Amino acid sequence: DVKVTQSSRYLVKRTGEKVFLECVQDMDHENMFWYRQDPGLGLRLIYFSYDVKMKEKGDIPEGYSVSREKKERFSLILESASTNQTSMYLCATRNPGLTYEQYFGPGTRLTVT
Amino acid sequence: DQQVKQNSPSLSVQEGRISILNCDYTNSMFDYFLWYKKYPAEGPTFLISISSIKDKNEDGRFTVFLNKSAKHLSLHIVPSQPGDSAVYFCAASALGGTSYGKLTFGQGTILTVHP
Repeated sequence: DVKVTQSSRYLVKRTGEKVFLECVQDMDHENMFWYRQDPGLGLRLIYFSYDVKMKEKGDIPEGYSVSREKKERFSLILESASTNQTSMYLCATRNPGLTYEQYFGPGTRLTVT
Repeated sequence: DQQVKQNSPSLSVQEGRISILNCDYTNSMFDYFLWYKKYPAEGPTFLISISSIKDKNEDGRFTVFLNKSAKHLSLHIVPSQPGDSAVYFCAASALGGTSYGKLTFGQGTILTVHP
């Protein structure tokens, strides 16, 4: 059974703070993804990593960066948090193959005040 | 540019009846489609998928239909149960190339099944 964990379920930060969201998976999956979920907008891809130290921008990368130093860990960094980054952040993993199913973590509800 | 659209924000159904959730896409490169279910304060969980070489895939109470010419897919839940109440997301992917399995999601449909 795939397990994807995220460091915090709820987080409150102040405008301008640097924020780190951590995601860890235990299934040796090569691909990892960061999404944000907002009402009426669905899930939007921020960044993804197809292998260790490799990263690609998603659809909404502005204001974010990522780090993947080890295969099991993928971090999302908000360089200077802003109120419009208040959202639910979801990490997902995938083992490349014939199907495109992604496995999601429980999410981090981030509030920036 | 919303490439995957779920035009119904919500759907209310009586227990035991059929729930039909719809999804439209615009990108003709999409050839693999998935449905996810999400409860509040939890991550989405995979429900069912379909490849573009098929027009139907069934798994227990859940069936997904794909109409490639109309760029439309639907999820049927029969019979609906109160535990099915959740947000349902449609997602699409383009196989191969440098897509790395990226998924494009719709906005979601909130399904409420009344006892």
